[in-house]
Amino acid sequence: KAGVTQTPRYLIKTRGQQVTLSCSPISGHRSVSWYQQTPGQGLQFLFEYFSETQRNKGNFPGRFSGRQFSNSRSEMNVSTLELGDSALYLCASSLGLAGGLAYEQYFGPGTRLTVT
Amino acid sequence: KQEVTQIPAALSVPEGENLVLNCSFTDSAIYNLQWFRQDPGKGLTSLLLIQSSQREQTSGRLNASLDKSSGRSTLYIAASQPGDSATYLCAVSWQTSYDKVIFGPGTSLSVIP
Repeated sequence: KAGVTQTPRYLIKTRGQQVTLSCSPISGHRSVSWYQQTPGQGLQFLFEYFSETQRNKGNFPGRFSGRQFSNSRSEMNVSTLELGDSALYLCASSLGLAGGLAYEQYFGPGTRLTVT
Repeated sequence: KQEVTQIPAALSVPEGENLVLNCSFTDSAIYNLQWFRQDPGKGLTSLLLIQSSQREQTSGRLNASLDKSSGRSTLYIAASQPGDSATYLCAVSWQTSYDKVIFGPGTSLSVIP
């Protein structure tokens, strides 16, 4: 069974630009969660999508958005990039809603975003 | 305020040693607690998930225990191997804020051959 895949793996963008990251969950998983990991703030929850609907949201500005398609694949978009958005962005998939760690989450390798 | 801490931030041990990693949390009314490992530059791998009604979970050389009254979970690794070298993170969710998950900062473990 293929694991969670994320594309691209590395990305360099300039301040003010926007970026779209993609995540393909494990086959059969309906939930996709997104996380931001930085050395200063650690791992922080962005949002979770289940059945094409955002179910949970972390404490991030509206510049961070996402969506989920009918095949459960998900995209995350960051608009008007800031230097502080440089981070490793991880997505995780699970069979059911992962809120509260109710279901085991399987993580992808991440997308390393550098904003210059 | 709900917080998760992990001490120490880094740990270095010789191969073969048994070791304990700590995860502390405020607010004992937790829902679930999960331990992960992260290899450099990679995603997280789930190790053990403990529900609030459980006291411990075991998988191979790993044993995770949960003591809600003291706000602590420990991850015990038996007979450590160089392949265990990674960062270990714990994540906690609470009954009062079910959909909120907070990750600890992690403990970086090095097992020296």
